Amino acid sequence: AQSVTQLDSQVPVFEEAPVELRCNYSSSVSVYLFWYVQYPNQGLQLLLKYLSGSTLVKGINGFEAEFNKSQTSFHLRKPSVHISDTAEYFCAVRSQGGSEKLVFGKGTKLTVNP
Amino acid sequence: NAGVTQTPKFQVLKTGQSMTLQCAQDMNHNSMYWYRQDPGMGLRLIYYSASEGTTDKGEVPNGYNVSRLNKREFSLRLESAAPSQTSVYFCASIYRGLGNTIYFGEGSWLTVV
Repeated sequence: AQSVTQLDSQVPVFEEAPVELRCNYSSSVSVYLFWYVQYPNQGLQLLLKYLSGSTLVKGINGFEAEFNKSQTSFHLRKPSVHISDTAEYFCAVRSQGGSEKLVFGKGTKLTVNP
Repeated sequence: NAGVTQTPKFQVLKTGQSMTLQCAQDMNHNSMYWYRQDPGMGLRLIYYSASEGTTDKGEVPNGYNVSRLNKREFSLRLESAAPSQTSVYFCASIYRGLGNTIYFGEGSWLTVV
């Protein structure tokens, strides 16, 4: 069975500071990995995804994530955040082939303060 | 191209009533999913369907039933609604190929009183 753990439920940072949102997963098979962002009262928007190839994945809005197979992690980073990055971020994992199950973490609420 | 369409968008139910949330996608996707989102709990998978005619339980299936009668539609039914089922429900679909982009519906806000 797959599972996703987002290690921080809330992350407060100051504007222009770097940020890392942590995500660890568990799976018995190879997986695809995703990060989604949800702004207040809106749906989910894809930030980036890892399917194969380079372990460093670049996404929208200056975010990037690194897939580390040995540590089963897929942490999201941004070198300098803006007020507008305040949102909830979700990590998700889907099995490659097989059951097609898609599971999300509980989310990390990022608050960027001036 | 409408993407993933969920209906209704808002619904208030009395405890014990039944209702069906409808989801349809026009992208010829294989896999479809139903999630519920509650504060601090993220998105929890209720049921999913890897293909037409097949369904599987997710993390929180109790109190729900689903139906995937054709490739396009995947409905979620609450047979006897309970206040604990008050939540925002999201339908999603995905093409089982390269890209693996997940498409979400806009959500259905359900309140059970």
